[in-house]
Amino acid sequence: DTEVTQTPKHLVMGMTNKKSLKCEQHMGHRAMYWYKQKAKKPPELMFVYSYEKLSINESVPSRFSPECPNSSLLNLHLHALQPEDSALYLCASSQRGGNEQYFGPGTRLTVT
Amino acid sequence: AQKVTQAQTEISVVEKEDVTLDCVYETRDTTYYLFWYKQPPSGELVFLIRRNSFDEQNEISGRYSWNFQKSTSSFNFTITASQVVDSAVYFCALSPDYKLSFGAGTTVTVRA
Repeated sequence: DTEVTQTPKHLVMGMTNKKSLKCEQHMGHRAMYWYKQKAKKPPELMFVYSYEKLSINESVPSRFSPECPNSSLLNLHLHALQPEDSALYLCASSQRGGNEQYFGPGTRLTVT
Repeated sequence: AQKVTQAQTEISVVEKEDVTLDCVYETRDTTYYLFWYKQPPSGELVFLIRRNSFDEQNEISGRYSWNFQKSTSSFNFTITASQVVDSAVYFCALSPDYKLSFGAGTTVTVRA
């Protein structure tokens, strides 16, 4: 079962709101990822968790805060976002580095 | 540093035509992995193929085939007898470990 689920599918939030994006995988993968994708652009890596530890942070602003409660779950906490943060946020997982990453359907975020 | 170049921004074909997507990469790593992903209008990135740097065998999967040539740092993708369902953005990607570097993507439109 190669499935990564993400909730919510759509999210509209104001600049003063706090919200969270959730991602789950049940493939026993030990690496999980957050990407941001703007329209007509490739995905940009934000964070990598490997064995539940943050291993890569691509200099993402602190208004984005990742959390990995266990090996199957990955959250992205959002606070005080800017309109330019509006994008598709994709979660992915892989067995380990270098393996294919399986992506979820994404959360389309709009910041007003 | 890793770099992936997909020189073709958009390709439009009529159904049943073959279409080849070019991908050229740059890396200083001796061990690396190459990928192709498909992103249909629904937005979800779908994994198509993974190749490691030591395996230059070409691969065929149904109507899809891939040509990996290390000598020219290319990993091209051909869709044979294209169908309307093949319409999507296709991304080539490169990774030494966890971090995927995507090309800009090629939008393929297959007209009935």
